[in-house]
Amino acid sequence: EPEVTQTPSHQVTQMGQEVILRCVPISNHLYFYWYRQILGQKVEFLVSFYNNEISEKSEIFDDQFSVERPDGSNFTLKIRSTKLEDSAMYFCASSELGNVLGNEQFFGPGTRLTVL
Amino acid sequence: KQEVTQIPAALSVPEGENLVLNCSFTDSAIYNLQWFRQDPGKGLTSLLLIQSSQREQTSGRLNASLDKSSGRSTLYIAASQPGDSATYLCAVRTGNQFYFGTGTSLTVIP
Repeated sequence: EPEVTQTPSHQVTQMGQEVILRCVPISNHLYFYWYRQILGQKVEFLVSFYNNEISEKSEIFDDQFSVERPDGSNFTLKIRSTKLEDSAMYFCASSELGNVLGNEQFFGPGTRLTVL
Repeated sequence: KQEVTQIPAALSVPEGENLVLNCSFTDSAIYNLQWFRQDPGKGLTSLLLIQSSQREQTSGRLNASLDKSSGRSTLYIAASQPGDSATYLCAVRTGNQFYFGTGTSLTVIP
């Protein structure tokens, strides 16, 4: 059964360093998403991406964050200069169709980011 | 801003019991509502998706209902099993963003 995959499963970095989190969405899906979950808190929407551009983003997704689809399979989230409060589990998700049609989202297993 | 609340926060039941998890949301203008399961340290597994025009969806022992006008959804689990132990999350799509509840942590005791 097709699934969303994410690498690495755990990333440890020093404050101020750049990190890139990688995701491979399900192959026939067209919409891609990033979420984060700080330990003990709600899952929070960061950004959605379609047709090689951001379609929506939340208040959390500031200039420190960027997303890219560098090739036909990968979808990346870059944090330019990490802060302690960026420590969280980051989830990638994909859906076949987009928001208006309300299509089901499928999530990856997550990358746990620890900023020291 | 959409607020999603789930009660109870934690629930412990003996194996075999039927149970109901609740999700409420403040803005009824939603596109859909999705129920997920999250195991400790793991990702989210989609259980059921209800479109805004639907009243319920069923999958095996799971049944989810949606009352959009009152801002409520329930997830009914029949004949619970120890393998159902997990955190259950509901998420709604409002406008162009997705909002999650804090979840209900379910423990099914053998």
